[in-house]
Amino acid sequence: DAGVTQSPTHLIKTRGQHVTLRCSPISGHKSVSWYQQVLGQGPQFIFQYYEKEERGRGNFPDRFSARQFPNYSSELNVNALLLGDSALYLCASSFVQSRTTQYFGPGTRLLVL
Amino acid sequence: DAKTTQPTSMDCAEGRAANLPCNHSTISGNEYVYWYRQIHSQGPQYIIHGLKNNETNEMASLIITEDRKSSTLILPHATLRDTAVYYCIVRVAYSGGGADGLTFGKGTHLIIQP
Repeated sequence: DAGVTQSPTHLIKTRGQHVTLRCSPISGHKSVSWYQQVLGQGPQFIFQYYEKEERGRGNFPDRFSARQFPNYSSELNVNALLLGDSALYLCASSFVQSRTTQYFGPGTRLLVL
Repeated sequence: DAKTTQPTSMDCAEGRAANLPCNHSTISGNEYVYWYRQIHSQGPQYIIHGLKNNETNEMASLIITEDRKSSTLILPHATLRDTAVYYCIVRVAYSGGGADGLTFGKGTHLIIQP
């Protein structure tokens, strides 16, 4: 079975631009969570979507947003990019919102110049 | 979620058992212990989780102390491909409808020596 997939694998943007990252969960999984991992740190929780609704977010500004589609795939959008947004963006899927294990995709490496 | 404490780094010889400790002294009764690992520049990989009983799967064993304040992840026969950062995470069993984000620390960098 295919695991969590993310696209693109790498991306280079300029400060002030907008970026959209995509995630397809494991088949049958209904919840998607997004994480940001800057170099040298562990992943930081951004937000979680379940049944197409945001269920909560971590300490990230409103420049970060996402949505989940009827097929449970998800997009992460970041507006007005800053240099500090350079990071590995990880998507994790789980069968339901809680009580079930989260499985991570390979990530999208974003570089903001 | 309870905070975890792990050593920054550890070495282990190839073929030997790697024992990775984790302290979670403030864990509450409804919190699980999860272990993930992350090989350089890849997404975290789920290894194992447990509540209070010891657990074993094809990848590793998880030993949780009786008071649940610490645990040890055991890789029985470490190989070079086990070199990675290992994260111990404490997670509530049910978030009550709220977000269920995982809280990662800095983990333990395990280096398997040939």
